[in-house]
Amino acid sequence: DGGITQSPKYLFRKEGQNVTLSCEQNLNHDAMYWYRQDPGQGLRLIYYSQIVNDFQKGDIAEGYSVSREKKESFPLTVTSAQKNPTAFYLCASQRGGLTRNTEAFFGQGTRLTVV
Amino acid sequence: ELKVEQNPLFLSMQEGKNYTIYCNYSTTSDRLYWYRQDPGKSLESLFVLLSNGAVKQEGRLMASLDTKARLSTLHITAAVHDLSATYFCAVDTNAGKSTFGDGTTLTVKP
Repeated sequence: DGGITQSPKYLFRKEGQNVTLSCEQNLNHDAMYWYRQDPGQGLRLIYYSQIVNDFQKGDIAEGYSVSREKKESFPLTVTSAQKNPTAFYLCASQRGGLTRNTEAFFGQGTRLTVV
Repeated sequence: ELKVEQNPLFLSMQEGKNYTIYCNYSTTSDRLYWYRQDPGKSLESLFVLLSNGAVKQEGRLMASLDTKARLSTLHITAAVHDLSATYFCAVDTNAGKSTFGDGTTLTVKP
């Protein structure tokens, strides 16, 4: 079955530690996105990528980094520079880049907690 | 900068009643999406609206798009408890990314 998979589902980070969230899709989508969602709030864009080996900062990129070495994969690293990383992180993929005319498909999310 | 505003942000309604959620956006776009999110879960797509005057219906939900007014509506007919969720609209720009509204949390009471 085609889909988008995020792992882990739950992640605990110690102060000063970098952690990496995985996002893999087998939908053959060109575009991939990372969003952050805080409790009771909407989605804020962290990074997005329209094509392999290229990505752009979203609205809240500080303290995060990404790579897009393969079409299927778009991992997100939450660095120690992100002072308030506790949130629900959602990865999405979408077909077609700038000419897309279909919806985004979302992974099941990773809930990150600082301990 | 594209801004997307939804209203109301919270909606409590009785089963069997009708209501409309509004999504206004600030710059020209002809691609708008509606998503549903259940508590603690991810988002799932409801509707894709790609042109002025587009109307889509699925069950008790109907979405429309007026690109001239920069307005989309999500109409709920004869609400049932299963429709309780948070509903997001998202608007695309030619920059290749979507901007989401803050969501409307719908609670349907018996």
